[in-house]
Amino acid sequence: QQQVKQSPQSLIVQKGGISIINCAYENTAFDYFPWYQQFPGKGPALLIAIRPDVSEKKEGRFTISFNKSAKQFSLHIMDSQPGDSATYFCAASIWGNQGGKLIFGQGTELSVKP
Amino acid sequence: NAGVTQTPKFRVLKTGQSMTLLCAQDMNHEYMYWYRQDPGMGLRLIHYSVGEGTTAKGEVPDGYNVSRLKKQNFLLGLESAAPSQTSVYFCASSYNSRTGERELFFGEGSRLTVL
Repeated sequence: QQQVKQSPQSLIVQKGGISIINCAYENTAFDYFPWYQQFPGKGPALLIAIRPDVSEKKEGRFTISFNKSAKQFSLHIMDSQPGDSATYFCAASIWGNQGGKLIFGQGTELSVKP
Repeated sequence: NAGVTQTPKFRVLKTGQSMTLLCAQDMNHEYMYWYRQDPGMGLRLIHYSVGEGTTAKGEVPDGYNVSRLKKQNFLLGLESAAPSQTSVYFCASSYNSRTGERELFFGEGSRLTVL
């Protein structure tokens, strides 16, 4: 029930296209859903996050869509650029409990071709 | 402002050897975490701490010990290294009680190989 399942494992998109990564969770107590971006040799860095009281959050070219009833959330990268090539992780946590520890998905390796 | 700093960045051990990974944060964060990253497995929580002098087990704690004697430091120890512990280890910290900030910040990782 603590798992977060992420798909696809890898994704190749042409420059200017839309990248879509999906995540699903089981624990309905999760109340914080961030996405992290990781470049090779670096630690993950927060990209964008959402709480379940909203269905969508947009920051620049990055959008999180959240479906509470389906227990799914997704990351959309509009106008994908080669500089977006990285590994993306979704995560979930119970914000006010247990030290806010994050449970991560398995990761998606995104490659944006010029 | 260095953020989260991990040492060492690389280490090669033989089976049965011991070692300690050091994590230091300068953001006055209350919470600290150790994750391991393996291909296709994402980041899995090993141990975490919600304050100085306190630690708790995460998803994969076996074979590891931790200590948080000072608020800014979180140590991860391997008493008897095994090849299954070959991984990239990430330390992270979060929650500034004064500002209320809860974002998780990661270090750049420590790559450990056990032969």
